Amino acid sequence: NAGVTQTPKFQVLKTGQSMTLQCAQDMNHEYMSWYRQDPGMGLRLIHYSVGAGITDQGEVPNGYNVSRSTTEDFPLRLLSAAPSQTSVYFCASSLIVNSNYGYTFGSGTRLTVV
Amino acid sequence: TQLLEQSPQFLSIQEGENLTVYCNSSSVFSSLQWYRQEPGEGPVLLVTVVTGGEVKKLKRLTFQFGDARKDSSLHITAAQPGDTGLYLCAGLGGSQGNLIFGKGTKLSVKP
Repeated sequence: NAGVTQTPKFQVLKTGQSMTLQCAQDMNHEYMSWYRQDPGMGLRLIHYSVGAGITDQGEVPNGYNVSRSTTEDFPLRLLSAAPSQTSVYFCASSLIVNSNYGYTFGSGTRLTVV
Repeated sequence: TQLLEQSPQFLSIQEGENLTVYCNSSSVFSSLQWYRQEPGEGPVLLVTVVTGGEVKKLKRLTFQFGDARKDSSLHITAAQPGDTGLYLCAGLGGSQGNLIFGKGTKLSVKP
C-alpha cells in the first residue's frame, strides 16, 4: 500500500519551460489536492478535486492547471514556469471532501525555477 | 477568509521540558487537525479534534479543542529529541470544506 506517490522528487526548470508534477494514490480516495509550501507562508491550496472529472481552484491557482481523468491520478501542470513558482509542492488525498479522517500527503516535489 | 494563527513560530527547548503550541482563529471550524512534518517529508496526521472542549491524548502529546471551536492547543510533556519537527494545525473550512493550514511551529528539542 503505497499511499500518495509524487514524482519527481526534485526538479530544476528554466523560466518559461513547462512541466507536469505527477501524483497518484492507491487508497480509492475521492478528494485530492495540491499545496505549495513556502517559508513563512505555510501550506497554500493550489487546486483540488472532489472526484474524477471535477476540479476547482484553491487560494493560489494562477500559473497552474490540473485535470482528474481517473480516481487515482491528479497531475499538476506548470504552463510557463516563473521564479515565483520555486517552492515545495505537496499532493494530498482524503477519503472524501470535508473529512475528519485527515489528509494523506505525498513526500513532495522540490521545484526550482531559474 | 478564514485564517489560523500559530504561536510560537519557533521553539527551542531542552530534553525533558514541557511546551505548549497554540492555534487560534476568529472563525469557527467544524474540526481541527494537527500534523507533524519532518524535513524532506510531507505532513503526517497526529490527531483530529471535532467537539468543542474535546481533549485527546497521544502518549506525551495532549490536544485540546476550544469550547467555541475557534482555537486549539498542543501540549507536549517531557519533550524528547524525537519530537523535533514542524507542527501544523489545520481547520476544515472554506466554501468547499478544504483544509486551511496555519504557518506552523518549528520545534527543536536538544538532548
